Amino acid sequence: EAGVTQFPSHSVIEKGQTVTLRCDPISGHDNLYWYRRVMGKEIKFLLHFVKESKQDESGMPNNRFLAERTGGTYSTLKVQPAELEDSGVYFCASSRKYEQYFGPGTRLTVT
Amino acid sequence: AQSVTQLGSHVSVSEGALVLLRCNYSSSVPPYLFWYVQYPNQGLQLLLKYTSAATLVKGINGFEAEFKKSETSFHLTKPSAHMSDAAEYFCAVSARDDKIIFGKGTRLHILP
Repeated sequence: EAGVTQFPSHSVIEKGQTVTLRCDPISGHDNLYWYRRVMGKEIKFLLHFVKESKQDESGMPNNRFLAERTGGTYSTLKVQPAELEDSGVYFCASSRKYEQYFGPGTRLTVT
Repeated sequence: AQSVTQLGSHVSVSEGALVLLRCNYSSSVPPYLFWYVQYPNQGLQLLLKYTSAATLVKGINGFEAEFKKSETSFHLTKPSAHMSDAAEYFCAVSARDDKIIFGKGTRLHILP
């Protein structure tokens, strides 16, 4: 069984540009989560999808972040426009029940 | 509300010595507790989990953790450290089917 995959693995963009991160969950996992770790801080929850619906988006930092999950399969997280403080590692996780399986993360650097 | 406190952002142990990484949690509901590990340039890997069954949980790579409700603790141990255990370790808590709340992480250094 393939694990959670994320693309790209690294992204370097300039302040003000747009970046889209993609997450492909494990097949059959209805739950999909986004987390991020800003340098020096703890890993923090961003949002939770159940199938294509947003179950909890209480961790989204502001309206520059937009997450979608098309047809309950893969998910994208768009940052527009990117700011310096958005730099960090963005993790995606998926689960069938309570055990979340994490992807390798996307390292985003905003310069 | 749930929270996790990991004691020590950096811990150093000698190869072959006992590894003890401390974690205390706070939860208003019966918690699920986890330890994750992140090796350099890799993603998060689940070491072990507690989900209200046995209080002593065994994980991968010789790690184990004991859930102590009276102390609200979930410390991670390994009897004998290996160089390959050098990584960052995260204690985490969640309610069933809910977001995970992570601690700040403890970086484990293994001294030869």
